[in-house]
Amino acid sequence: DTAVSQTPKYLVTQMGNDKSIKCEQNLGHDTMYWYKQDSKKFLKIMFSYNNKELIINETVPNRFSPKSPDKAHLNLHINSLELGDSAVYFCASSHAWTGYEQYFGPGTRLTVT
Amino acid sequence: SQQGEEDPQALSIQEGENATMNCSYKTSINNLQWYRQNSGRGLVHLILIRSNEREKHSGRLRVTLDTSKKSSSLLITASRAADTASYFCATSNAGNMLTFGGGTRLMVKP
Repeated sequence: DTAVSQTPKYLVTQMGNDKSIKCEQNLGHDTMYWYKQDSKKFLKIMFSYNNKELIINETVPNRFSPKSPDKAHLNLHINSLELGDSAVYFCASSHAWTGYEQYFGPGTRLTVT
Repeated sequence: SQQGEEDPQALSIQEGENATMNCSYKTSINNLQWYRQNSGRGLVHLILIRSNEREKHSGRLRVTLDTSKKSSSLLITASRAADTASYFCATSNAGNMLTFGGGTRLMVKP
């Protein structure tokens, strides 16, 4: 069973569209994250939720809105997609908020044309 | 800006050789973690070393931490072709916000 899963794995869409990426973890973790990895492989945190509560919201455009319906799910909705949004988006989870290793999903490669 | 910076950016070695990657960071940390990323995959946690620890081992991996120099190193002994991947260090300070470096791309030639 996959510990942290994301759908879809690939997403190709046009500028201006709205899209969502879903993430689920079956590890029983309290904390979930969204990261963005650019073409140079730099990985940057976007959001973090602990027990469905938003605790990290880095400098991310308002077009990005995370939603955590329950502890096991953290979805990412992106409005009005731009070319610069093209990247690989990773979901991750950890046991708790402080001092634990994180478990990553396989990533969603988003290409905006 | 990146908290951690890996050095070298790329490393190519023969199977059986040891690979050493270094990570430097700027601010105080609670712990430092190393992750591996195979091409097209998510990151996999390798090892976590706390700020009060100096060295840690896990199988063929050895991690050192020097908080006075704000640096860490990851040594992979007796490398295998399957070790080919990108390796990232990540520092954790307040809370569990991980800040990643740019990674070292390791190629192990059979």
